[in-house]
Amino acid sequence: TQLLEQSPQFLSIQEGENLTVYCNSSSVFSSLQWYRQEPGEGPVLLVTVVTGGEVKKLKRLTFQFGDARKDSSLHITAAQPGDTGLYLCAGRNTGNQFYFGTGTSLTVIP
Amino acid sequence: KAGVTQTPRYLIKTRGQQVTLSCSPISGHRSVSWYQQTPGQGLQFLFEYFSETQRNKGNFPGRFSGRQFSNSRSEMNVSTLELGDSALYLCASTAGVIGDTQYFGPGTRLTVL
Repeated sequence: TQLLEQSPQFLSIQEGENLTVYCNSSSVFSSLQWYRQEPGEGPVLLVTVVTGGEVKKLKRLTFQFGDARKDSSLHITAAQPGDTGLYLCAGRNTGNQFYFGTGTSLTVIP
Repeated sequence: KAGVTQTPRYLIKTRGQQVTLSCSPISGHRSVSWYQQTPGQGLQFLFEYFSETQRNKGNFPGRFSGRQFSNSRSEMNVSTLELGDSALYLCASTAGVIGDTQYFGPGTRLTVL
């Protein structure tokens, strides 16, 4: 059962453009994490959001947790080729189990 | 500090065989979780071990099993392999406290022919 839906699945943009990735669920999560995975590597944690409505910024990346703690978004400003990768959201339930979204594959063209 | 290591990195097996994958967590970490990653289903949780005990289990058939040793190293075993078991198997380690950051290894790419 896929509890987290990510959109879009694929995204190809030019360097300098902005983009938003969405992560939606009908379930409430204790926290939500965003990871980036590059080919041949495991996912690397970017951020954890815990409180409904929380916004966190990491340089050009802005993460938001929905008020009801069911959804999240990742916004990248002025994308660079180094942002290329698979972006995964993961919700943690009260049993400390993580549910991952199917991922968004981002390609930033120089 | 060395990261999470997984061996082997690549593996090719045939249907019906069994396979054992190994994961060495970050030094001092006591929890190891295993995930299966496929293009169609994404990352799916298999199980978590903490201090040699299975603490959490995902929704996979009994052909998938695991164990953890006293040094926190973990192995997962898949018996009677099926074509659909072809996937990237990832392990992640944490110190074991609820809510800790998961650190992932590079994964083992299993191909079942």
